[in-house]
Amino acid sequence: DTAVSQTPKYLVTQMGNDKSIKCEQNLGHDTMYWYKQDSKKFLKIMFSYNNKELIINETVPNRFSPKSPDKAHLNLHINSLELGDSAVYFCASSHRGWTDTQYFGPGTRLTVL
Amino acid sequence: KNEVEQSPQNLTAQEGEFITINCSYSVGISALHWLQQHPGGGIVSLFMLSSGKKKHGRLIATINIQEKHSSLHITASHPRDSAVYICAVVSGGGADGLTFGKGTHLIIQP
Repeated sequence: DTAVSQTPKYLVTQMGNDKSIKCEQNLGHDTMYWYKQDSKKFLKIMFSYNNKELIINETVPNRFSPKSPDKAHLNLHINSLELGDSAVYFCASSHRGWTDTQYFGPGTRLTVL
Repeated sequence: KNEVEQSPQNLTAQEGEFITINCSYSVGISALHWLQQHPGGGIVSLFMLSSGKKKHGRLIATINIQEKHSSLHITASHPRDSAVYICAVVSGGGADGLTFGKGTHLIIQP
């Protein structure tokens, strides 16, 4: 069984569209995260959710919104997509927080045309 | 905000060599993570440490809190170790989240 899964793996879309990326973890972890990896392969935290509470929003445009229907899911919604949103987005989870081992999903490569 | 520096940025070595990758940071931390990103893009956590040393197979990670420095060592390197190794630190009591280094691209030639 996959511990952290993301769908879709690839997403190609036009500027201005709205899209979502889904993330699910079956590890029973309390905290889930979204990371963005840019074209230079640099990783940056976007969001962290713990027990349905947003802990960190790291200067991310409000066009991005995480939604957590339950502890096992943290979906990423993106409105009015821009060219600069093209990147690989990774979902991850950990038992409690930052000082626990992080388990990463396979990533979603988003291309905005 | 913590500044995380990794060295070297790129490293090519022969199979069997002992590899060292370094990570330094500017502000005190509560923990440090070493991650491995495979050529296919997947990311795996190798170690999470807050003091001392950890070992897993041929991988060893050390941290010196006073000097704000960590090292990742690979003994008897193998071509399958070829990957990007990323250091990430937890600082600000966790309020700042994870701050990542830019990664070290390692190639092990047979």
